[in-house]
Formats: sequence, structure tokens, C-alpha cells
Amino acid sequence: DIVMTQSPDSLAVSLGERATINCKSSQNILYRSNNKNYLAWYQQKPGQPPKLLISWASDRESGVPDRFSGSGSGTDFTLTISSLQAEDVAVYYCHQHYTTPQAFGQGTKVEVK
Amino acid sequence: EVQVVESGGGLVKPGGSIRLSCAASGFPFNKAWMSWVRQAPGKGLEWVGRIKSNSDGGTTEYAGFVKGRFTISRDDSMNTLYLQMNSLKNEDTAVYFCSPSGSYYAYWGQGTLVTVSS
Repeated sequence: DIVMTQSPDSLAVSLGERATINCKSSQNILYRSNNKNYLAWYQQKPGQPPKLLISWASDRESGVPDRFSGSGSGTDFTLTISSLQAEDVAVYYCHQHYTTPQAFGQGTKVEVK
Repeated sequence: EVQVVESGGGLVKPGGSIRLSCAASGFPFNKAWMSWVRQAPGKGLEWVGRIKSNSDGGTTEYAGFVKGRFTISRDDSMNTLYLQMNSLKNEDTAVYFCSPSGSYYAYWGQGTLVTVSS
């Protein structure tokens, strides 16, 4: 089974500063026939269901602010918040859907310093 | 508008059973692969399983911890997804979410809470 490991578990960033979350897959999740990484990123605020931010490792969903970006390929991925806003305080999860059983990272809690 | 509404959660004793429902609307349910994801209180997201559309074979796949205890099914005439959970354990306590996808999850309901406790 593929294991997704995020780092760090939590981080505190000043408003307006950059936040970077890493996600490492125990196996390659790039499907070479279509050159797509089967990796998504979600944001979850307390008491709410997760919200999809990024699909295919780097495709921002409609309506998601452009300060959120995803990068990486193969086994190593990054979610970057270029300028942290107060409303970005949340837990962020990566998710591989390359194969079953699908797997989520353990989550990264982002707070304001 | 795509909408999924989970229901059926509640308090159940260890070893007991419960069936969750997910009512779907706003998309062609009979063509959709459907999934369940759960989240224990204060913990992260955990994939439970998925069911393909009947036109894609209607087969199911599950996480390892299910071990034959859970069954995902669907009723396309009712636009409803089910999760039958048997032999429940304390560690199955969680909010259970359904989503109209077999890959990444663009749509989520509010979830339904299952509490396993004596």
C-alpha cells in the first residue's frame, strides 16, 4: 500500500509570509501514459468537510485563490501558500488516488505566528 | 448543483451494525463512481472504499482495516449510496463522508457521525 507522509505536522507563519507543506509518497504516483500525478490537496477548517484545492498535483480548482499552488512529480510534492491570509488557518491534506487503497497524508496544521 | 447528504449515523455498541446512506443529486448518479472517507474525532482523513458505476462493473474496493466488515452498495433508482458496517469496533468511531468520485474528491457532504461505544 502507498503511504503518504506530510511535513511538517504543523507550522506557524506570519501573515503575508510564505507557507510550504511537503508530501512524500512511498511509491511513484505519476502515471506515465498520461503524464499525470494522481495527487490532490485539500483544506479543512474546523467543523467543515474538506475542500479540494489542487488536483493532478498542480491544477488549482476554480475559485481557489492564486496564492495556493501545487508542484512536484513522482513521489515528492509541495503545496505553497505564497502570502498567508488569516482565512488560510486550517489543516491541509495531500491525497493519492493513483491506486487503491487510496491514502491521505496525516495532515499539516497551519497557524498564524 | 452537486449535492450529497449523508445520514444514518448514531450510537452503536461494539460488535453491532449500522447502515449509512448518502443521498445524491445534481449529477448523473448512475454514471458516478462513489466513495466513502472517514475521519475519527480530532484525527485525519481515512479512505474507506469505493464502488464503481454499474456500467463499469459495479465492483467495490476497500481499505485494509475493513477486513470484510463493511459493504458498499448503491441503488441507482434512488440515487443513493450505502455503507453497511458490521462487527463495529471502538476505533470505527468517526464522521463518515461520501463523495461522488472514485478519484479525487471535489464534492463532500457534511458527514454523519458514528459512535461505537458500550
